[in-house]
Amino acid sequence: AQSVTQPDIHITVSEGASLELRCNYSYGATPYLFWYVQSPGQGLQLLLKYFSGDTLVQGIKGFEAEFKRSQSSFNLRKPSVHWSDAAEYFCAVGPQGQAGTALIFGKGTTLSVSS
Amino acid sequence: DGGITQSPKYLFRKEGQNVTLSCEQNLNHDAMYWYRQDPGQGLRLIYYSQIVNDFQKGDIAEGYSVSREKKESFPLTVTSAQKNPTAFYLCASSYKGVQPQHFGDGTRLSIL
Repeated sequence: AQSVTQPDIHITVSEGASLELRCNYSYGATPYLFWYVQSPGQGLQLLLKYFSGDTLVQGIKGFEAEFKRSQSSFNLRKPSVHWSDAAEYFCAVGPQGQAGTALIFGKGTTLSVSS
Repeated sequence: DGGITQSPKYLFRKEGQNVTLSCEQNLNHDAMYWYRQDPGQGLRLIYYSQIVNDFQKGDIAEGYSVSREKKESFPLTVTSAQKNPTAFYLCASSYKGVQPQHFGDGTRLSIL
């Protein structure tokens, strides 16, 4: 079955420290991959996406993610976390080449930032 | 600016009542989606529509209904058959194909 797993429900990182949020997927073929961020009571904002090509993708707000086909992973990273990065982060996958098919989301990782 | 507008932001439902959540987009997107979000559950797909006058059930469509009479609008009705409607509802839209989805700011539905 197609699925997305975010193993960490909650992570706390010190401000200025590096961050890595994990995402693993189960899919029949290489999917399209996305990371979204959600602030409390708000909708989701796209951070970055991977469709093809370079496996290291850059996104907004200083985030990057690396696609590793052999590990079925698409982990999100940031070298130095800011207090404003505290939010919930969702990884999502979608099938290549199919029109209008909805994405499958992970259950999310809540990031807290300590001073 | 283009975007997705969901209204109202907060909604309360009485027992046995149907309520309708509005979703309007001016991004000229073809596809629109409704998700339900519960704490610790991520986003679960209720319905989606790829073109006007056509829509498909998602994973948790029971107790919900939708219509897509205009490209810009995709209202969601939470019927009295939905016994546990308290949740945060998110509407999204995208171009055809698997493209990044743009999200509205959500409607929080509670039971009176």
